[in-house]
Amino acid sequence: EVQLLESGGGLVQPGGSLRLSCAASGFSFSSYAMTWVRQAPGKGLEWVSIITGSGGSTYYADSVKGRFTISRDNSQNMLYLQMNSLRAEDTAVYFCAKDRANWNADFDYWGRGTLVAVSS
Amino acid sequence: EIVLTQSPATLSLSPGERATLSCRASQSVSSYLAWYQQKPGQAPRLLIYDVSNRATGIPARFSGSGSGTDFTLTISSLEPEDFAVYYCQQRSNWPPITFGQGTRLEIK
Repeated sequence: EVQLLESGGGLVQPGGSLRLSCAASGFSFSSYAMTWVRQAPGKGLEWVSIITGSGGSTYYADSVKGRFTISRDNSQNMLYLQMNSLRAEDTAVYFCAKDRANWNADFDYWGRGTLVAVSS
Repeated sequence: EIVLTQSPATLSLSPGERATLSCRASQSVSSYLAWYQQKPGQAPRLLIYDVSNRATGIPARFSGSGSGTDFTLTISSLEPEDFAVYYCQQRSNWPPITFGQGTRLEIK
């Protein structure tokens, strides 16, 4: 059974940093691209970042480029999102999700999300 | 960036009725369009990929159609558990990967 479990969310001040983690199990982790998608309170889904199975290629939404870094540790089946220079508009539930293949860019399994709140 | 516009914003129907949800792209996405269902407090669930392919475990009452810029998600006969928010998503021209703003399907 595929399982994705996010952690690392919390309350942080504007300008601060957080590192989100996503623990994956139940599939061959290194064979699939992984992504982060966020959802601001009461709003729709916003794609944040994606990384290939090998970790060799990454892409970002313009809204987070230069501030967020996606990475993965295939030996530990872990996905990460390092978030720096956080802003109020980054407040959201952050979901990690598994690509349907290695680079399909649609997502067949999702975690339950972790809440990031940016406020002073 | 490809913008996806979903309509209607809210759809009010009764169990047993047919639901038709629309997604229009600002430029062609070929057949690279997916649909997701999200219930309150839950993660999105992939329903349909590449316009018309049901994801694993998705009931046959869910179907997708369309091409180019105009797409439809149809639920043939609504079950109580189908009332949720539905999002379309394109993977044709990315980054960025983009989602529609969502259609809320509510019980009439």
